[in-house]
Amino acid sequence: GENVEQHPSTLSVQEGDSAVIKCTYSDSASNYFPWYKQELGKRPQLIIDIRSNVGEKKDQRIAVTLNKTAKHFSLHITETQPEDSAVYFCAASRTGKSTFGDGTTLTVKP
Amino acid sequence: GAVVSQHPSWVICKSGTSVKIECRSLDFQATTMFWYRQFPKQSLMLMATSNEGSKATYEQGVEKDKFLINHASLTLSTLTVTSAHPEDSSFYICSAATPGTSGGTYNEQFFGPGTRLTVL
Repeated sequence: GENVEQHPSTLSVQEGDSAVIKCTYSDSASNYFPWYKQELGKRPQLIIDIRSNVGEKKDQRIAVTLNKTAKHFSLHITETQPEDSAVYFCAASRTGKSTFGDGTTLTVKP
Repeated sequence: GAVVSQHPSWVICKSGTSVKIECRSLDFQATTMFWYRQFPKQSLMLMATSNEGSKATYEQGVEKDKFLINHASLTLSTLTVTSAHPEDSSFYICSAATPGTSGGTYNEQFFGPGTRLTVL
């Protein structure tokens, strides 16, 4: 089955700095790669996603890149703010079934 | 986006009892729903895929006789934790996938708010 690895497990940045989280996947048939933000005790919220026919996607301060050949994708958050602090999960999906990474706890220090 | 609800939001039960969790898609028909379990400070682990009108597909290591899934309608899937024990205490989250734009590939998942189960 699919295996998704996510790094780093924790990330601490100063407000205004950029944050980068990286994931690799194993199943070349995966074709949809969402990123979720989860606050304590709440449901995961989709923040950005990318499909396998696209290499990069940007939405304001958030961007995602995908390298299908290398089977890795990354989340980039620029101009971080304290409210960006949360746990971020990447996922690799095929026909709706998603495998999640282990999560990255992002802390943005004011 | 699509709205998915879950009920109850939290439940405390005694060891040995059964607990039913409902997952509803409120504004769209979900032929497929997914059930996840999340332990504290861990990732979401897929338990099973629930298909309307057919048997659920369970992930390896998940006991189908312990976690009963029923997807009786296009808007409702239920997960019943039978004979619950303290080690079953966890955050259970369902999601519904929307049909993709080509080839029946499902894309974005919409998550329910989750159910916190505590077994004493």
